[in-house]
Amino acid sequence: DQQVKQNSPSLSVQEGRISILNCDYTNSMFDYFLWYKKYPAEGPTFLISISSIKDKNEDGRFTVFLNKSAKHLSLHIVPSQPGDSAVYFCAAGGSNYKLTFGKGTLLTVNP
Amino acid sequence: KAGVTQTPRYLIKTRGQQVTLSCSPISGHRSVSWYQQTPGQGLQFLFEYFSETQRNKGNFPGRFSGRQFSNSRSEMNVSTLELGDSALYLCASSLGGLENIQYFGAGTRLSVL
Repeated sequence: DQQVKQNSPSLSVQEGRISILNCDYTNSMFDYFLWYKKYPAEGPTFLISISSIKDKNEDGRFTVFLNKSAKHLSLHIVPSQPGDSAVYFCAAGGSNYKLTFGKGTLLTVNP
Repeated sequence: KAGVTQTPRYLIKTRGQQVTLSCSPISGHRSVSWYQQTPGQGLQFLFEYFSETQRNKGNFPGRFSGRQFSNSRSEMNVSTLELGDSALYLCASSLGGLENIQYFGAGTRLSVL
C-alpha cells in the first residue's frame, strides 16, 4: 500500500523554465510534508517543508503548494538550473515520528 | 556543525553473514532513523530511536535490528544476510519532536554476494 505516490518517474525541463514536481498521498493523518533532493552516491538533502495547516511555503527558488482536499502537493522550482538535476523525493510525516517517502522523480534540467 | 556520519561507506558480504552499520547523528540530535533504499522502491523505513528507545518500527523481518547509545550514536545490524538485502542504507537524525526535519547521512552501500 503506497501512501505517498510520485507518478512521474522522470521530468525534463529547459534551463530557466519552471520545474513542477507532483506528489499525491492517501493518508489524511499526515501532519507535514517535505521535499528532498538526492544526487547519486549521496544521501537525500532537505529542501523545503510544509505543515498541513498551510497551503504554501516559499524558500528562494523553491515553493511547495499543498492541496489538502485533493491530497496533493507540488514543488515548483523557478528558474530551473542545471545543478537542480537530481532525484526529488516527496515525504510525509505524522504523529509516529517516521517519514513515508515516494519513489522519487528524476529531474533533468537541460542547458 | 558536522553532519550525519555513516560508516562504512561500502560493504561486501556473503549470504548468511551478519553486518553492523554505524551512524553518528548531528550534535544535539536525539532521534536517529534508518531507511533502506533499493532501485525502484524509494526509501523504506526500518526503525527510529529516541533517547535509546525504539519509538517506531517498519515492516522488516526480525533479522533487522538496531540500537542507540547514550551519546545518540546508533547501530543497525542485519543477521543471516540474503541477496535481497543488497541496498543503500541511510541514517537520518533529527531533534526528535513532531515535524522535525530529518537530515541524512551519505549512506552505506551493502552488497550481498
